[in-house]
Amino acid sequence: NAGVTQTPKFQVLKTGQSMTLQCAQDMNHNSMYWYRQDPGMGLRLIYYSASEGTTDKGEVPNGYNVSRLNKREFSLRLESAAPSQTSVYFCASRPGKTQYFGPGTRLLVL
Amino acid sequence: ELKVEQNPLFLSMQEGKNYTIYCNYSTTSDRLYWYRQDPGKSLESLFVLLSNGAVKQEGRLMASLDTKARLSTLHITAAVHDLSATYFCAGGPNTGNQFYFGTGTSLTVIP
Repeated sequence: NAGVTQTPKFQVLKTGQSMTLQCAQDMNHNSMYWYRQDPGMGLRLIYYSASEGTTDKGEVPNGYNVSRLNKREFSLRLESAAPSQTSVYFCASRPGKTQYFGPGTRLLVL
Repeated sequence: ELKVEQNPLFLSMQEGKNYTIYCNYSTTSDRLYWYRQDPGKSLESLFVLLSNGAVKQEGRLMASLDTKARLSTLHITAAVHDLSATYFCAGGPNTGNQFYFGTGTSLTVIP
């Protein structure tokens, strides 16, 4: 079991560029989440998916889109990156009670 | 939206001492979670508290939940250096799938 995996680990973008952060889990969990973590602000929910084929906005969805491609994969897309999106992005999956987190993607937008 | 507040934000304590981290939340919730994060790492689940009066213990850490007071505590007993990390609490509404995190408590245990 690899658990929750995220790619890439690091990324540098220029303002206006687009990219997709990939997340996959091999634990057969229904729910998956995308968070961003900024210094002094804890984790904030961007989008979540309660099951395959459904997605819902979290606290800070502006500037992001998501795709729940299948039960395993949940991707986060930045269509036009902005410096305010510089952050560490965590994906998580949840079987029922708590969440299991991926290793994170560090994104720098210049 | 559930608001979650932790205090203190920073905690420096000597080895062998006891201390408590507090987590208050704004609306009715019967589920509260504690996570640990080491610098540059991901989050690790510590405790899941799902009912009023729930108490869980693991080693030197003990977590409790009082849903009437909308308060959870994480008590550290006889701290050791290995406990140095950032601790987050998170809550969620009783219906729904969302989690709302506190800003974290950065704990440093000094020899």
